[in-house]
Amino acid sequence: GENVEQHPSTLSVQEGDSAVIKCTYSDSASNYFPWYKQELGKRPQLIIDIRSNVGEKKDQRIAVTLNKTAKHFSLHITETQPEDSAVYFCAASMRGNEKLTFGTGTRLTIIP
Amino acid sequence: EPEVTQTPSHQVTQMGQEVILRCVPISNHLYFYWYRQILGQKVEFLVSFYNNEISEKSEIFDDQFSVERPDGSNFTLKIRSTKLEDSAMYFCASTKTGGMYEQYFGPGTRLTVT
Repeated sequence: GENVEQHPSTLSVQEGDSAVIKCTYSDSASNYFPWYKQELGKRPQLIIDIRSNVGEKKDQRIAVTLNKTAKHFSLHITETQPEDSAVYFCAASMRGNEKLTFGTGTRLTIIP
Repeated sequence: EPEVTQTPSHQVTQMGQEVILRCVPISNHLYFYWYRQILGQKVEFLVSFYNNEISEKSEIFDDQFSVERPDGSNFTLKIRSTKLEDSAMYFCASTKTGGMYEQYFGPGTRLTVT
């Protein structure tokens, strides 16, 4: 089955700087890659997703890039703010098998 | 904006007891899921459900687990005989259509087995 690895497990960034979180996946049939933000004790919430027919997607300060050949995708957060502090999970799924396989999570801390 | 809801928010039970976790998916969604998250760990898939039947289940979802959609709105997860290792946050999720669309997560039920 699909295996998703995520790095780093923790990341501390000065407010205003950029943060990058990287994930790799194992199954080349995966074609949907969402990123979820989870605040302490809360539900995971989708912040951005990308499908395999595009290489990059941007939404204000958040962007995701996908390299299908290398089977990795990354989350980029620019101009970080204290409210960006949370645990971020990447995930992968494929058409016809919609379960999400999650990475192990990155705890992002924004230092004021 | 419609949300997935779950009850109870916290359930404490003794080992060997049966528990039922309840979820109300978003009303026009057709695909339903249960995930669990052991404290401090990643979210793990348990089961997916579509058209009144299980479409996929993980190796975690053994004979102690079952799911049901007893009416047009509720989606339940039953654990027949709870074990200490079942202690986790259980999330229900739903999506409008299969394949590459956002799964909306409920707020979770924290299950504590003592």
